[in-house]
Amino acid sequence: GAVVSQHPSRVICKSGTSVKIECRSLDFQATTMFWYRQFPKQSLMLMATSNEGSKATYEQGVEKDKFLINHASLTLSTLTVTSAHPEDSSFYICSARPGTGLRETQYFGPGTRLLVL
Amino acid sequence: AQKVTQAQTEISVVEKEDVTLDCVYETRDTTYYLFWYKQPPSGELVFLIRRNSFDEQNEISGRYSWNFQKSTSSFNFTITASQVVDSAVYFCALSSNDYKLSFGAGTTVTVRA
Repeated sequence: GAVVSQHPSRVICKSGTSVKIECRSLDFQATTMFWYRQFPKQSLMLMATSNEGSKATYEQGVEKDKFLINHASLTLSTLTVTSAHPEDSSFYICSARPGTGLRETQYFGPGTRLLVL
Repeated sequence: AQKVTQAQTEISVVEKEDVTLDCVYETRDTTYYLFWYKQPPSGELVFLIRRNSFDEQNEISGRYSWNFQKSTSSFNFTITASQVVDSAVYFCALSSNDYKLSFGAGTTVTVRA
Protein backbone atom coordinates (compact mmCIF):
# COMPACT_ATOMS: atom_id res chain seq x y z
CA GLY A 1 0.00 0.00 0.00
CA ALA A 2 0.80 3.74 0.01
CA VAL A 3 2.01 3.95 -3.56
CA VAL A 4 2.63 7.30 -5.22
CA SER A 5 3.31 7.66 -8.91
CA GLN A 6 4.80 10.51 -10.88
CA HIS A 7 4.68 11.20 -14.57
CA PRO A 8 6.81 11.73 -16.54
CA SER A 9 9.88 10.19 -14.96
CA ARG A 10 12.18 12.18 -17.17
CA VAL A 11 11.69 15.18 -19.42
CA ILE A 12 13.95 17.26 -21.60
CA CYS A 13 12.61 20.54 -22.90
CA LYS A 14 13.75 23.72 -24.55
CA SER A 15 14.19 26.91 -22.61
CA GLY A 16 10.99 28.93 -22.47
CA THR A 17 8.58 26.01 -22.66
CA SER A 18 6.30 24.81 -19.87
CA VAL A 19 6.40 21.37 -18.33
CA LYS A 20 3.65 19.65 -16.37
CA ILE A 21 4.41 16.94 -13.81
CA GLU A 22 1.66 14.75 -12.37
CA CYS A 23 1.64 13.18 -8.95
CA ARG A 24 -0.92 10.52 -8.07
CA SER A 25 -1.64 8.56 -4.93
CA LEU A 26 -2.67 5.17 -6.28
CA ASP A 27 -4.16 3.34 -3.32
CA PHE A 28 -5.08 6.03 -0.83
CA GLN A 29 -6.62 9.46 -0.68
CA ALA A 30 -4.15 12.20 -0.01
CA THR A 31 -5.30 15.10 2.10
CA THR A 32 -2.09 16.92 1.35
CA MET A 33 0.57 16.63 -1.29
CA PHE A 34 3.99 18.20 -1.16
CA TRP A 35 6.41 19.18 -3.91
CA TYR A 36 10.15 19.07 -3.38
CA ARG A 37 13.16 19.92 -5.49
CA GLN A 38 16.51 18.22 -5.18
CA PHE A 39 19.68 19.44 -6.87
CA PRO A 40 22.56 16.97 -7.38
CA LYS A 41 24.17 15.80 -4.16
CA GLN A 42 21.88 17.98 -2.08
CA SER A 43 18.98 17.37 0.22
CA LEU A 44 15.32 17.78 -0.60
CA MET A 45 13.92 21.27 -0.35
CA LEU A 46 10.21 21.77 0.12
CA MET A 47 8.74 23.99 -2.57
CA ALA A 48 5.05 24.00 -1.75
CA THR A 49 2.23 22.31 0.11
CA SER A 50 -0.88 21.43 -1.83
CA ASN A 51 -4.28 20.77 -0.27
CA GLU A 52 -7.15 19.44 -2.31
CA GLY A 53 -9.52 22.17 -3.40
CA SER A 54 -7.50 25.08 -2.09
CA LYS A 55 -4.55 27.19 -3.18
CA ALA A 56 -1.08 25.84 -2.64
CA THR A 57 1.14 27.31 0.04
CA TYR A 58 4.61 28.14 -1.23
CA GLU A 59 7.81 28.21 0.75
CA GLN A 60 9.85 31.36 0.96
CA GLY A 61 11.80 32.04 -2.19
CA VAL A 62 9.64 29.85 -4.45
CA GLU A 63 7.88 31.80 -7.19
CA LYS A 64 4.23 30.83 -7.26
CA ASP A 65 3.73 32.22 -10.76
CA LYS A 66 6.56 30.09 -12.08
CA PHE A 67 5.66 26.86 -10.31
CA LEU A 68 1.92 26.42 -10.71
CA ILE A 69 0.35 23.80 -8.52
CA ASN A 70 -3.11 22.35 -8.91
CA HIS A 71 -4.60 19.78 -6.55
CA ALA A 72 -7.74 18.83 -8.41
CA SER A 73 -8.69 15.73 -6.45
CA LEU A 74 -7.69 13.70 -3.43
CA THR A 75 -5.45 11.56 -5.60
CA LEU A 76 -3.93 14.01 -8.07
CA SER A 77 -1.70 17.06 -7.86
CA THR A 78 0.14 18.68 -10.76
CA LEU A 79 3.17 20.94 -10.86
CA THR A 80 3.67 23.08 -13.95
CA VAL A 81 7.05 24.70 -14.44
CA THR A 82 6.26 27.70 -16.63
CA SER A 83 8.79 29.24 -19.01
CA ALA A 84 11.45 26.82 -17.87
CA HIS A 85 15.09 27.87 -17.90
CA PRO A 86 18.28 25.83 -17.50
CA GLU A 87 18.50 26.75 -13.83
CA ASP A 88 15.17 24.96 -13.30
CA SER A 89 16.83 21.68 -14.24
CA SER A 90 16.49 19.50 -11.18
CA PHE A 91 14.91 16.40 -9.68
CA TYR A 92 11.32 17.14 -8.68
CA ILE A 93 9.72 14.81 -6.16
CA CYS A 94 6.20 14.79 -4.86
CA SER A 95 4.87 13.19 -1.72
CA ALA A 96 1.41 12.45 -0.45
CA ARG A 97 0.07 12.33 3.07
CA PRO A 98 -2.85 9.99 3.76
CA GLY A 99 -6.07 11.41 5.12
CA THR A 100 -6.47 8.44 7.44
CA GLY A 101 -4.17 5.93 9.10
CA LEU A 102 -0.55 7.07 9.30
CA ARG A 103 -1.41 10.70 8.65
CA GLU A 104 2.00 11.94 9.77
CA THR A 105 3.85 9.94 7.16
CA GLN A 106 4.62 11.17 3.66
CA TYR A 107 4.99 8.68 0.87
CA PHE A 108 7.13 9.76 -2.02
CA GLY A 109 6.80 9.38 -5.75
CA PRO A 110 9.71 8.15 -7.87
CA GLY A 111 10.62 11.67 -8.96
CA THR A 112 10.87 13.51 -12.27
CA ARG A 113 14.19 14.53 -13.73
CA LEU A 114 13.84 17.78 -15.63
CA LEU A 115 16.52 18.97 -18.00
CA VAL A 116 16.04 22.34 -19.63
CA LEU A 117 18.27 23.01 -22.60
CA ALA B 1 12.35 26.70 13.49
CA GLN B 2 13.17 23.07 12.95
CA LYS B 3 16.54 21.71 12.02
CA VAL B 4 17.97 18.29 11.32
CA THR B 5 21.70 17.69 11.30
CA GLN B 6 23.36 14.68 9.77
CA ALA B 7 27.01 15.35 10.47
CA GLN B 8 28.31 12.42 8.42
CA THR B 9 28.44 13.27 4.75
CA GLU B 10 29.77 9.94 3.53
CA ILE B 11 30.45 6.57 5.10
CA SER B 12 32.23 3.73 3.37
CA VAL B 13 32.28 0.23 4.81
CA VAL B 14 33.09 -3.28 3.72
CA GLU B 15 30.26 -5.73 3.43
CA LYS B 16 29.14 -7.30 6.72
CA GLU B 17 30.36 -4.36 8.77
CA ASP B 18 27.88 -2.48 10.91
CA VAL B 19 27.27 1.18 10.14
CA THR B 20 25.60 3.80 12.33
CA LEU B 21 24.16 6.99 10.91
CA ASP B 22 23.80 9.92 13.27
CA CYS B 23 20.87 12.32 13.32
CA VAL B 24 20.43 15.25 15.68
CA TYR B 25 17.35 17.45 15.58
CA GLU B 26 16.11 20.75 16.93
CA THR B 27 12.51 21.72 17.48
CA ARG B 28 10.46 23.79 19.90
CA ASP B 29 7.39 21.62 19.46
CA THR B 30 6.49 19.07 22.10
CA THR B 31 4.77 16.85 19.57
CA TYR B 32 6.86 15.93 16.56
CA TYR B 33 7.70 13.04 14.29
CA LEU B 34 11.02 11.67 13.18
CA PHE B 35 11.67 9.72 10.02
CA TRP B 36 14.36 7.92 8.12
CA TYR B 37 14.20 7.58 4.36
CA LYS B 38 16.49 5.72 1.98
CA GLN B 39 17.27 7.11 -1.47
CA PRO B 40 18.95 4.54 -3.74
CA PRO B 41 20.62 5.63 -7.00
CA SER B 42 17.27 5.41 -8.79
CA GLY B 43 16.19 8.48 -6.82
CA GLU B 44 12.99 7.26 -5.23
CA LEU B 45 12.67 7.87 -1.50
CA VAL B 46 11.84 4.76 0.46
CA PHE B 47 10.17 5.20 3.84
CA LEU B 48 11.98 3.26 6.56
CA ILE B 49 10.57 4.34 9.91
CA ARG B 50 8.46 6.91 11.72
CA ARG B 51 8.72 7.73 15.40
CA ASN B 52 6.60 10.16 17.38
CA SER B 53 8.04 12.26 20.17
CA PHE B 54 6.23 10.32 22.88
CA ASP B 55 7.56 6.96 21.86
CA GLU B 56 11.18 6.51 22.84
CA GLN B 57 11.20 2.79 22.41
CA ASN B 58 14.00 1.63 20.20
CA GLU B 59 13.03 -0.42 17.21
CA ILE B 60 14.55 -3.25 15.27
CA SER B 61 13.45 -4.35 11.83
CA GLY B 62 15.61 -7.06 10.36
CA ARG B 63 19.11 -5.64 9.98
CA TYR B 64 17.91 -2.12 10.73
CA SER B 65 17.64 -0.63 14.19
CA TRP B 66 16.92 2.83 15.50
CA ASN B 67 17.90 4.52 18.74
CA PHE B 68 15.76 7.47 19.80
CA GLN B 69 17.13 9.55 22.67
CA LYS B 70 15.07 12.62 23.54
CA SER B 71 17.61 13.71 26.14
CA THR B 72 20.20 14.25 23.41
CA SER B 73 17.71 15.02 20.61
CA SER B 74 19.11 12.20 18.56
CA PHE B 75 17.57 9.54 16.35
CA ASN B 76 20.38 7.31 15.15
CA PHE B 77 20.10 4.51 12.63
CA THR B 78 22.20 1.35 12.53
CA ILE B 79 22.52 -1.13 9.70
CA THR B 80 23.87 -4.42 10.96
CA ALA B 81 25.89 -6.72 8.70
CA SER B 82 25.72 -4.28 5.80
CA GLN B 83 25.19 -5.48 2.25
CA VAL B 84 25.99 -3.91 -1.11
CA VAL B 85 22.26 -3.26 -1.63
CA ASP B 86 22.35 -0.95 1.37
CA SER B 87 24.40 1.54 -0.64
CA ALA B 88 22.27 4.67 -0.85
CA VAL B 89 21.76 8.12 0.58
CA TYR B 90 19.93 8.06 3.88
CA PHE B 91 17.92 11.04 5.07
CA CYS B 92 16.71 11.80 8.55
CA ALA B 93 13.69 14.10 8.68
CA LEU B 94 11.49 15.87 11.21
CA SER B 95 7.93 17.14 11.09
CA SER B 96 5.46 18.54 13.58
CA ASN B 97 1.89 19.75 13.50
CA ASP B 98 1.97 21.16 9.99
CA TYR B 99 3.33 17.85 8.65
CA LYS B 100 6.04 19.62 6.66
CA LEU B 101 9.24 17.64 6.54
CA SER B 102 12.60 19.18 7.34
CA PHE B 103 15.33 16.99 5.93
CA GLY B 104 18.89 16.59 7.02
CA ALA B 105 21.63 16.90 4.43
CA GLY B 106 21.78 13.15 3.99
CA THR B 107 24.51 10.57 4.52
CA THR B 108 25.85 8.63 1.56
CA VAL B 109 26.56 5.04 2.51
CA THR B 110 28.79 2.98 0.25
CA VAL B 111 29.09 -0.71 1.00
CA ARG B 112 31.98 -2.39 -0.79
CA ALA B 113 31.97 -6.09 -1.56
